[in-house]
Amino acid sequence: QSVLTQPPSASGTPGQRLTISCSGSNSNIGYNPVNWYQQLPGAAPKLLMYSNNQRPSGVPDRFSGSKSGTSASLAISGLQSEDEADYYCAAWDDSLNGMVFGGGTKLTVL
Amino acid sequence: QVTLRESGPALVKPTQTLTLTCTFSGFSLSSSGRCVSWIRQPPGKALEWLARIDWDDAKYYSTSLKTRLTISKDTSKNQVVLTMTNMDPVDTATYYCARNDPGGSWFDPWGQGTLVTVSS
Repeated sequence: QSVLTQPPSASGTPGQRLTISCSGSNSNIGYNPVNWYQQLPGAAPKLLMYSNNQRPSGVPDRFSGSKSGTSASLAISGLQSEDEADYYCAAWDDSLNGMVFGGGTKLTVL
Repeated sequence: QVTLRESGPALVKPTQTLTLTCTFSGFSLSSSGRCVSWIRQPPGKALEWLARIDWDDAKYYSTSLKTRLTISKDTSKNQVVLTMTNMDPVDTATYYCARNDPGGSWFDPWGQGTLVTVSS
């Protein structure tokens, strides 16, 4: 059971806009920034979004992040087949004094 | 360019101690604010953070695994070592090391990971 809650799966068609949610609590998302990772099949995770809504260099602006209260979201616009991957949210947890992850969302592009 | 690479045994027996080494380049763990973490992922399952070591030797551990983990660093060799005692088949996973941002918040980049199987 992960500390952060994500939907296990999401799907969309090419060109569509889609959002993935991440729900936590005051001890993690409520007071700490949220980061998102993309894990392509068979690969190591890659930083996709940091500090709630900042894109690392090289990440397309089709990806955007937001946070409100104890929840965060990752939005993908103009969905592409290459976006098929697992997506994980993460944040520091002040109560656990450690990093916590969501259970991951498997994105399928139909 | 920052790179990290994990190394260690591919197979360990139950009750044995696992020792993994993360060898990195492109940054120094003696620089103020720098940190390195270990994260694992059982086959088909989610990521799980294990431990972090900071430039000033501060250490943080997963609450659920704290009694079994030890993290250390050798700044002269650019290495971070993780030991996990009393290995069990449920510890079968790909183990990653990753550099943290100076605030310790996000992981970037990650190593390629090393698969450790626990079996007799």
